[in-house]
Amino acid sequence: SQQGEEDPQALSIQEGENATMNCSYKTSINNLQWYRQNSGRGLVHLILIRSNEREKHSGRLRVTLDTSKKSSSLLITASRAADTASYFCATAGQAGTALIFGKGTTLSVSS
Amino acid sequence: DVKVTQSSRYLVKRTGEKVFLECVQDMDHENMFWYRQDPGLGLRLIYFSYDVKMKEKGDIPEGYSVSREKKERFSLILESASTNQTSMYLCASSSPPDRGAFFGQGTRLTVV
Repeated sequence: SQQGEEDPQALSIQEGENATMNCSYKTSINNLQWYRQNSGRGLVHLILIRSNEREKHSGRLRVTLDTSKKSSSLLITASRAADTASYFCATAGQAGTALIFGKGTTLSVSS
Repeated sequence: DVKVTQSSRYLVKRTGEKVFLECVQDMDHENMFWYRQDPGLGLRLIYFSYDVKMKEKGDIPEGYSVSREKKERFSLILESASTNQTSMYLCASSSPPDRGAFFGQGTRLTVV
């Protein structure tokens, strides 16, 4: 069964606006990761947050993690048309366990 | 530049054929994964391996098997291809404990 569930399924915004995507998961984790997928391509790792961290930044990305609610959010600030893609969260347990993905959020940024 | 390479970008096979999808990584990663991606279903884990000759079933292993004889190579085998195995197949590798995974470009398999 899939561990992460992203919300919303689809998001449409204008360039310059912020985009927020949420992820909920079911079991305890070692870390949570966010990936981007451009149409028909492989996934690219964006950012990883450990279970003992609450917030992390990387450029225009901000990730939060609330382990008590088993949820995470990805904020993309000042969105650009090039940010149009699908975004997935993935959870990882201890070493030797699987990396489990959710169904993803499709972000469309129009200029 | 680190790489995960899948042997084919597009593949068309006939029902009943035995199909081999190959994945090679050059990063000396312990973990390797095979996923399939279908519209509306996200990425579903078929099998993963955390060491040479080790394999673990994912969520949807039925109809598939895997082989990891060398650390850098993880093969997915469709024992007898069926039309419901038409999908995008994605291979990934990672090194524990706190590293992101690297993905191949994907293989779009069509079974006719």
